[in-house]
Amino acid sequence: DAGVTQSPTHLIKTRGQQVTLRCSPKSGHDTVSWYQQALGQGPQFIFQYYEEEERQRGNFPDRFSGHQFPNYSSELNVNALLLGDSALYLCASRLGANTGELFFGEGSRLTVL
Amino acid sequence: GESVGLHLPTLSVQEGDNSIINCAYSNSASDYFIWYKQESGKGPQFIIDIRSNMDKRQGQRVTVLLNKTVKHLSLQIAATQPGDSAVYFCAENSHSGAGSYQLTFGKGTKLSVIP
Repeated sequence: DAGVTQSPTHLIKTRGQQVTLRCSPKSGHDTVSWYQQALGQGPQFIFQYYEEEERQRGNFPDRFSGHQFPNYSSELNVNALLLGDSALYLCASRLGANTGELFFGEGSRLTVL
Repeated sequence: GESVGLHLPTLSVQEGDNSIINCAYSNSASDYFIWYKQESGKGPQFIIDIRSNMDKRQGQRVTVLLNKTVKHLSLQIAATQPGDSAVYFCAENSHSGAGSYQLTFGKGTKLSVIP
């Protein structure tokens, strides 16, 4: 039973570029959330997708967008990258939008130069 | 604003001793709390959770205590082992409407186990 898988594991971008991160939820899960974790900090909620729609959003600008596909996998897109976007981006999945244990992937480490 | 915070950023314990990691929260509407363990280079791993209608929950070697009066949460690890070395986060869930489920994480406590 595969857990939450994310790709790529590491990537380097320059300021102003755009990045797309991908996530496959744990088998049987239909809800995907994205979190940003800066070095030495706790994860911060970006948004949650359920039934291919963004259901909830944290305090992040519109440069951060996402998508959920019919197979429940998800993408996180960040446009016009800033140095401050350097972080570990975590994907988490659960069954149902409101309940259940949240399972995290290993994250995608983004470095913006 | 509302936040989740930890009293101690670092904690060193001797192998075999018990560990206690504390967490304060400020949102009285929070109804669900979770402790996560994060090892270096990995994603957070669920340890134990507790709902606001409980004040204690036990798992294997771990116990979570919830004191709603003072908005305090603690994680107790019995017979701490070197494999317990990691950063521990508490997280709270606050419902802000139908269908909402947003976790707010604290900054974390680094637990170091001395062999």
